[in-house]
Amino acid sequence: NAGVTQTPKFRVLKTGQSMTLLCAQDMNHEYMYWYRQDPGMGLRLIHYSVGEGTTAKGEVPDGYNVSRLKKQNFLLGLESAAPSQTSVYFCASSYLPDRGGQPQHFGDGTRLSIL
Amino acid sequence: GQNIDQPTEMTATEGAIVQINCTYQTSGFNGLFWYQQHAGEAPTFLSYNVLDGLEEKGRFSSFLSRSKGYSYLLLKELQMKDSASYLCAVKDSNYQLIWGAGTKLIIKP
Repeated sequence: NAGVTQTPKFRVLKTGQSMTLLCAQDMNHEYMYWYRQDPGMGLRLIHYSVGEGTTAKGEVPDGYNVSRLKKQNFLLGLESAAPSQTSVYFCASSYLPDRGGQPQHFGDGTRLSIL
Repeated sequence: GQNIDQPTEMTATEGAIVQINCTYQTSGFNGLFWYQQHAGEAPTFLSYNVLDGLEEKGRFSSFLSRSKGYSYLLLKELQMKDSASYLCAVKDSNYQLIWGAGTKLIIKP
Protein backbone atom coordinates (compact mmCIF):
# COMPACT_ATOMS: atom_id res chain seq x y z
CA ASN A 1 0.00 0.00 0.00
CA ALA A 2 1.90 3.03 -1.28
CA GLY A 3 -0.64 5.70 -0.24
CA VAL A 4 0.92 9.13 -0.88
CA THR A 5 4.45 9.21 -2.27
CA GLN A 6 6.61 12.31 -2.41
CA THR A 7 9.88 12.80 -4.27
CA PRO A 8 12.52 13.86 -3.54
CA LYS A 9 12.84 13.37 0.24
CA PHE A 10 15.65 15.90 0.65
CA ARG A 11 16.99 18.68 -1.53
CA VAL A 12 19.38 21.61 -1.17
CA LEU A 13 19.01 24.50 -3.60
CA LYS A 14 20.78 27.77 -4.16
CA THR A 15 18.81 31.00 -4.17
CA GLY A 16 17.26 31.59 -7.57
CA GLN A 17 17.23 27.96 -8.65
CA SER A 18 14.02 26.23 -9.63
CA MET A 19 12.69 22.78 -8.86
CA THR A 20 9.57 20.65 -8.88
CA LEU A 21 8.31 18.50 -6.02
CA LEU A 22 6.34 15.46 -7.07
CA CYS A 23 3.39 13.88 -5.30
CA ALA A 24 1.53 10.72 -6.32
CA GLN A 25 -1.41 9.01 -4.63
CA ASP A 26 -2.95 5.64 -5.39
CA MET A 27 -6.16 5.97 -3.34
CA ASN A 28 -8.25 7.55 -6.11
CA HIS A 29 -8.74 10.68 -3.99
CA GLU A 30 -10.34 13.71 -5.59
CA TYR A 31 -8.62 16.32 -3.43
CA MET A 32 -4.89 16.92 -3.14
CA TYR A 33 -2.99 19.49 -1.09
CA TRP A 34 0.45 20.97 -0.65
CA TYR A 35 1.44 22.21 2.82
CA ARG A 36 4.57 23.63 4.34
CA GLN A 37 5.52 23.00 7.96
CA ASP A 38 7.82 25.38 9.81
CA PRO A 39 8.98 25.20 13.45
CA GLY A 40 6.45 26.62 15.89
CA MET A 41 3.75 26.97 13.27
CA GLY A 42 0.86 24.85 12.13
CA LEU A 43 0.73 23.29 8.70
CA ARG A 44 0.03 26.02 6.18
CA LEU A 45 -1.80 25.32 2.95
CA ILE A 46 0.06 26.45 -0.18
CA HIS A 47 -2.21 25.25 -2.99
CA TYR A 48 -4.81 22.57 -3.39
CA SER A 49 -6.74 20.80 -6.12
CA VAL A 50 -10.32 19.57 -6.14
CA GLY A 51 -9.84 17.38 -9.18
CA GLU A 52 -7.85 16.69 -12.33
CA GLY A 53 -7.05 19.89 -14.21
CA THR A 54 -8.03 22.22 -11.34
CA THR A 55 -5.93 24.12 -8.81
CA ALA A 56 -6.63 26.78 -6.20
CA LYS A 57 -4.62 29.03 -3.90
CA GLY A 58 -4.30 28.33 -0.23
CA GLU A 59 -3.05 30.47 2.61
CA VAL A 60 0.56 31.00 1.41
CA PRO A 61 0.67 30.60 -2.40
CA ASP A 62 3.22 33.28 -3.32
CA GLY A 63 6.39 31.95 -4.96
CA TYR A 64 4.83 28.57 -5.78
CA ASN A 65 2.94 27.10 -8.72
CA VAL A 66 1.12 23.80 -9.05
CA SER A 67 -0.30 21.53 -11.69
CA ARG A 68 -2.61 18.52 -11.65
CA LEU A 69 -2.59 17.02 -15.11
CA LYS A 70 -3.55 13.57 -13.86
CA LYS A 71 -5.83 12.69 -10.96
CA GLN A 72 -3.12 10.78 -9.13
CA ASN A 73 -0.37 13.40 -9.43
CA PHE A 74 0.06 16.89 -7.95
CA LEU A 75 3.21 18.87 -8.69
CA LEU A 76 4.57 21.83 -6.72
CA GLY A 77 7.00 24.16 -8.46
CA LEU A 78 9.38 26.77 -7.11
CA GLU A 79 10.31 29.08 -9.97
CA SER A 80 13.03 31.08 -8.19
CA ALA A 81 13.84 29.65 -4.77
CA ALA A 82 14.33 31.99 -1.82
CA PRO A 83 15.76 31.24 1.66
CA SER A 84 12.28 31.91 3.13
CA GLN A 85 11.09 28.80 1.30
CA THR A 86 13.33 26.58 3.41
CA SER A 87 10.81 24.24 4.99
CA VAL A 88 9.37 20.75 5.12
CA TYR A 89 6.76 20.27 2.41
CA PHE A 90 3.96 17.77 2.79
CA CYS A 91 1.56 16.55 0.16
CA ALA A 92 -1.79 15.16 1.24
CA SER A 93 -4.89 13.72 -0.39
CA SER A 94 -8.46 13.03 0.63
CA TYR A 95 -11.93 12.20 -0.58
CA LEU A 96 -14.40 15.08 -0.75
CA PRO A 97 -13.88 17.02 2.52
CA ASP A 98 -17.60 17.53 3.03
CA ARG A 99 -17.95 13.78 3.55
CA GLY A 100 -17.82 13.93 7.32
CA GLY A 101 -14.69 12.61 8.93
CA GLN A 102 -12.72 11.79 5.82
CA PRO A 103 -9.12 12.45 6.90
CA GLN A 104 -6.29 13.76 4.82
CA HIS A 105 -3.53 11.22 4.12
CA PHE A 106 0.00 12.57 4.07
CA GLY A 107 3.20 11.74 2.26
CA ASP A 108 6.50 11.46 4.14
CA GLY A 109 7.53 15.01 3.30
CA THR A 110 10.29 16.76 1.37
CA ARG A 111 12.93 18.57 3.38
CA LEU A 112 14.04 21.55 1.31
CA SER A 113 16.90 23.90 2.17
CA ILE A 114 17.56 27.06 0.20
CA LEU A 115 21.04 28.53 0.63
CA GLY B 1 -8.97 35.70 12.06
CA GLN B 2 -8.85 31.97 12.58
CA ASN B 3 -6.88 30.57 15.47
CA ILE B 4 -6.09 27.19 16.99
CA ASP B 5 -4.29 27.10 20.36
CA GLN B 6 -2.48 24.13 21.85
CA PRO B 7 0.24 23.92 24.51
CA THR B 8 3.68 23.85 22.92
CA GLU B 9 5.08 21.00 24.98
CA MET B 10 3.98 18.55 27.68
CA THR B 11 5.83 15.93 29.69
CA ALA B 12 4.30 12.77 31.16
CA THR B 13 5.41 9.50 32.69
CA GLU B 14 5.17 6.09 31.07
CA GLY B 15 1.98 4.32 32.18
CA ALA B 16 0.23 7.56 33.18
CA ILE B 17 -2.61 9.54 31.58
CA VAL B 18 -2.19 12.86 29.76
CA GLN B 19 -4.74 15.33 28.39
CA ILE B 20 -3.80 17.62 25.50
CA ASN B 21 -6.10 20.60 25.09
CA CYS B 22 -7.06 22.49 21.95
CA THR B 23 -9.11 25.68 21.74
CA TYR B 24 -10.25 27.14 18.47
CA GLN B 25 -11.81 30.21 16.90
CA THR B 26 -12.68 29.61 13.28
CA SER B 27 -15.08 30.85 10.62
CA GLY B 28 -17.53 28.01 10.82
CA PHE B 29 -17.06 24.49 12.11
CA ASN B 30 -17.37 21.22 10.21
CA GLY B 31 -15.42 18.91 12.45
CA LEU B 32 -12.19 18.61 14.42
CA PHE B 33 -9.32 16.22 13.76
CA TRP B 34 -6.42 15.00 15.87
CA TYR B 35 -3.26 13.78 14.17
CA GLN B 36 -0.08 12.25 15.55
CA GLN B 37 3.29 13.18 14.07
CA HIS B 38 6.51 11.45 15.08
CA ALA B 39 9.67 13.48 14.56
CA GLY B 40 10.70 13.50 10.93
CA GLU B 41 7.58 11.67 9.81
CA ALA B 42 4.21 12.42 8.26
CA PRO B 43 1.12 13.31 10.32
CA THR B 44 -1.20 10.33 10.76
CA PHE B 45 -4.91 10.49 11.54
CA LEU B 46 -6.01 9.68 15.10
CA SER B 47 -9.58 10.86 15.61
CA TYR B 48 -12.47 12.97 14.36
CA ASN B 49 -15.21 14.77 16.32
CA VAL B 50 -18.13 16.68 14.87
CA LEU B 51 -20.71 16.32 17.66
CA ASP B 52 -20.26 17.20 21.31
CA GLY B 53 -19.00 14.43 23.51
CA LEU B 54 -16.35 11.81 23.86
CA GLU B 55 -15.10 9.46 21.15
CA GLU B 56 -13.06 6.52 22.41
CA LYS B 57 -10.58 4.53 20.37
CA GLY B 58 -8.52 2.13 22.44
CA ARG B 59 -6.04 4.03 24.60
CA PHE B 60 -6.94 7.31 22.89
CA SER B 61 -10.10 9.37 23.42
CA SER B 62 -11.09 12.73 22.02
CA PHE B 63 -13.65 15.15 23.43
CA LEU B 64 -15.43 18.08 21.81
CA SER B 65 -17.47 21.00 23.13
CA ARG B 66 -18.62 23.16 20.21
CA SER B 67 -20.18 25.82 22.43
CA LYS B 68 -16.83 26.35 24.19
CA GLY B 69 -14.65 25.95 21.07
CA TYR B 70 -12.71 23.30 22.93
CA SER B 71 -11.40 19.81 22.43
CA TYR B 72 -8.98 17.52 24.20
CA LEU B 73 -7.12 14.36 23.36
CA LEU B 74 -6.75 11.91 26.23
CA LEU B 75 -3.99 9.32 26.10
CA LYS B 76 -4.10 6.50 28.65
CA GLU B 77 -1.48 3.95 29.69
CA LEU B 78 1.24 5.99 28.06
CA GLN B 79 3.96 4.15 26.20
CA MET B 80 7.34 5.43 25.09
CA LYS B 81 6.18 5.18 21.47
CA ASP B 82 3.54 7.85 22.23
CA SER B 83 6.34 10.44 22.29
CA ALA B 84 5.34 12.59 19.33
CA SER B 85 3.66 15.84 18.38
CA TYR B 86 -0.12 15.93 18.44
CA LEU B 87 -1.82 18.23 15.95
CA CYS B 88 -5.33 19.65 16.31
CA ALA B 89 -7.07 20.75 13.11
CA VAL B 90 -10.51 22.27 12.54
CA LYS B 91 -12.47 22.05 9.29
CA ASP B 92 -13.88 25.53 8.68
CA SER B 93 -16.95 26.72 6.76
CA ASN B 94 -15.10 26.21 3.45
CA TYR B 95 -14.14 22.66 4.47
CA GLN B 96 -10.50 23.74 4.70
CA LEU B 97 -8.40 22.41 7.59
CA ILE B 98 -6.97 25.02 9.94
CA TRP B 99 -4.06 23.58 11.88
CA GLY B 100 -2.69 24.23 15.33
CA ALA B 101 1.09 24.37 15.81
CA GLY B 102 1.03 21.04 17.61
CA THR B 103 1.87 19.83 21.12
CA LYS B 104 5.14 17.99 21.58
CA LEU B 105 4.59 15.19 24.11
CA ILE B 106 7.62 13.85 25.92
CA ILE B 107 7.26 10.53 27.75
CA LYS B 108 9.69 9.78 30.55
CA PRO B 109 10.33 6.29 31.95
